[in-house]
Amino acid sequence: DAKTTQPNSMESNEEEPVHLPCNHSTISGTDYIHWYRQLPSQGPEYVIHGLTSNVNNRMASLAIAEDRKSSTLILHRATLRDAAVYYCILRDGAGGNDYKLSFGAGTTVTVRA
Amino acid sequence: DTAVSQTPKYLVTQMGNDKSIKCEQNLGHDTMYWYKQDSKKFLKIMFSYNNKELIINETVPNRFSPKSPDKAHLNLHINSLELGDSAVYFCASSQVRGRHTDTQYFGPGTRLTVL
Repeated sequence: DAKTTQPNSMESNEEEPVHLPCNHSTISGTDYIHWYRQLPSQGPEYVIHGLTSNVNNRMASLAIAEDRKSSTLILHRATLRDAAVYYCILRDGAGGNDYKLSFGAGTTVTVRA
Repeated sequence: DTAVSQTPKYLVTQMGNDKSIKCEQNLGHDTMYWYKQDSKKFLKIMFSYNNKELIINETVPNRFSPKSPDKAHLNLHINSLELGDSAVYFCASSQVRGRHTDTQYFGPGTRLTVL
């Protein structure tokens, strides 16, 4: 899986939006962009994924740059429960038998009340 | 109803002992995984099984042996425990309709402490 680069940490105030950047300059045409998060003392959980178009779900939005070399996870109104480590992960959509998720260091998000 | 469950949640043991961690998923998924999260919080894949068949083994020492009695269970047995085995171990599962879209569901983790 191609590598991603994320800031180590970000802070936000409660009920304000959070924009989490992810750089993936070596992304290939078949790589999907996935986001997972890990709340304190819990296992990771899926947030969202996309290929080229922006995506929305009940948890977040994913904005993907036109050249696909970067993307941004948007939490529209941060709550205290959104404090977690957020991981940006590329997954090859070309097929094959490599099913693993390759986690980097992620971005630690702190939400202030 | 817990989707992916692990037992025990905490495991404290002495060096040299043999221990097992159990994982069960009730999602009907075909593929299960073991990940290790070390003290620096990096999560790394250890093993993956698809329909009881090993498909990923990421250069894990032979002391670690996964066992999948059926596709709903993937247990991890560790022989001759070492201090460096102390970590949080996460089990996960996925349906695997297609690699790029499959979502992995993680268990709550087992914190192993080797003294």
